[in-house]
Amino acid sequence: AQSVTQLGSHVSVSEGALVLLRCNYSSSVPPYLFWYVQYPNQGLQLLLKYTTGATLVKGINGFEAEFKKSETSFHLTKPSAHMSDAAEYFCAVRPTNFGNEKLTFGTGTRLTIIP
Amino acid sequence: ETGVTQSPTHLIKTRGQQVTLRCSSQSGHNTVSWYQQALGQGPQFIFQYYREEENGRGNFPPRFSGLQFPNYSSELNVNALELDDSALYLCASSLDSGGVDEQFFGPGTRLTVL
Repeated sequence: AQSVTQLGSHVSVSEGALVLLRCNYSSSVPPYLFWYVQYPNQGLQLLLKYTTGATLVKGINGFEAEFKKSETSFHLTKPSAHMSDAAEYFCAVRPTNFGNEKLTFGTGTRLTIIP
Repeated sequence: ETGVTQSPTHLIKTRGQQVTLRCSSQSGHNTVSWYQQALGQGPQFIFQYYREEENGRGNFPPRFSGLQFPNYSSELNVNALELDDSALYLCASSLDSGGVDEQFFGPGTRLTVL
């Protein structure tokens, strides 16, 4: 079975500072990896995903994440935080076998931006 | 292009009642997945439908059931509601093209069970 651990249920950073949200996964084989963002009273929006190839993945809104197989990690970063980044962020994994689209999510990290 | 829509946005029921939640897929999508998001938690996979057939199920009891219609819209039915069923229910649609298809999420239905 696959699982996702997000360290830190709440993270606060100052506007303009580095954003680092941590995600570790547990899986018998490396899964596909995703980061989603959820704004209040909205559904989830895909920020970025890793499937194969380059381990540093760039997404929308200036976010990027690096897949590190040896550390079973997929941490999300953004060099300079903006007030509009305040939201809930979810890391998710999906099996790589064809036809299985089940996403397994972490418990989320609420990001607060301090003016 | 219309995104994923869900109805109703909010719903209040009492224990033991039954509820039906609805989801309209994004245009051209043939796969629908349903997730339950309890307060302060990440979404939990309920089940997925592909071309009107259930195609995977999470760890939810049989009182959670679903349908997908020929136009690929979908329903989630929950019987014998329990207090713990209170949650945000998210629907996500995708086009199963054989690749790693993005799931597009609707805004959810907030269900409160009293």
